[in-house]
Amino acid sequence: QTVVTQEPSLSVSPGGTVTLTCGLSSGSVSTAYFPSWYQQTPGQAPRTVIHNTHIRSFGVPDRFSGSILGNKAALTLTGAQADDEADYYCVLKMGSGSYVFGTGTKVTVL
Amino acid sequence: EVQMVQSGGSLVQPGESLRLSCEVFGFTVRTSYMSWVRQAPGRGLEWLSGVTDGGTTYYADSVEGRFSISSDNSKNTLFLQMNTVQTEDTAVYYCARMFRDAFEIWGPGTTVTVS
Repeated sequence: QTVVTQEPSLSVSPGGTVTLTCGLSSGSVSTAYFPSWYQQTPGQAPRTVIHNTHIRSFGVPDRFSGSILGNKAALTLTGAQADDEADYYCVLKMGSGSYVFGTGTKVTVL
Repeated sequence: EVQMVQSGGSLVQPGESLRLSCEVFGFTVRTSYMSWVRQAPGRGLEWLSGVTDGGTTYYADSVEGRFSISSDNSKNTLFLQMNTVQTEDTAVYYCARMFRDAFEIWGPGTTVTVS
């Protein structure tokens, strides 16, 4: 069974930079997995942040950026703000047509 | 305006069946790639099933054979038929429109409790 791994939690200071990663239990993540990223605050539906590795969704501020770093997908938040505090999930598309969500990262801004 | 209205979530007993609905506005289900995603209490997101604009369906191993995705084009509504539900199916269920292999637009969610 494919497991998509993320850091359980990360903290960042206001105005600081933090990078979240999205890896595979076996193998490397590449653009062929069409990695995407989602932000979720308590009690709310997820919101799309990044799709197709690096494309920001409509209305997402440019302090969010996506990339491939080494063998993982990455979401970098530059200039963190208080309202960026949330859970973040990555998703990878599998060859079988299915999708697998990552384990999620809780980002704290303090 | 693009909007999705979800319904059908409720309290059910193990072994029962349930059908979730996701009525969409502002776009056509028939020409969209749609998915269902769930989130158990205090847990992460889990992709369950998807249906392409060509009608091809996909399922996660965890629900293959028990859940079925479909749509009613006349009602512009997506469904998730859940059979033989188990306590571990307790979750908030979201419908989502896909775009370029990403979950572009999310419904508000509907809660299923199996107890």
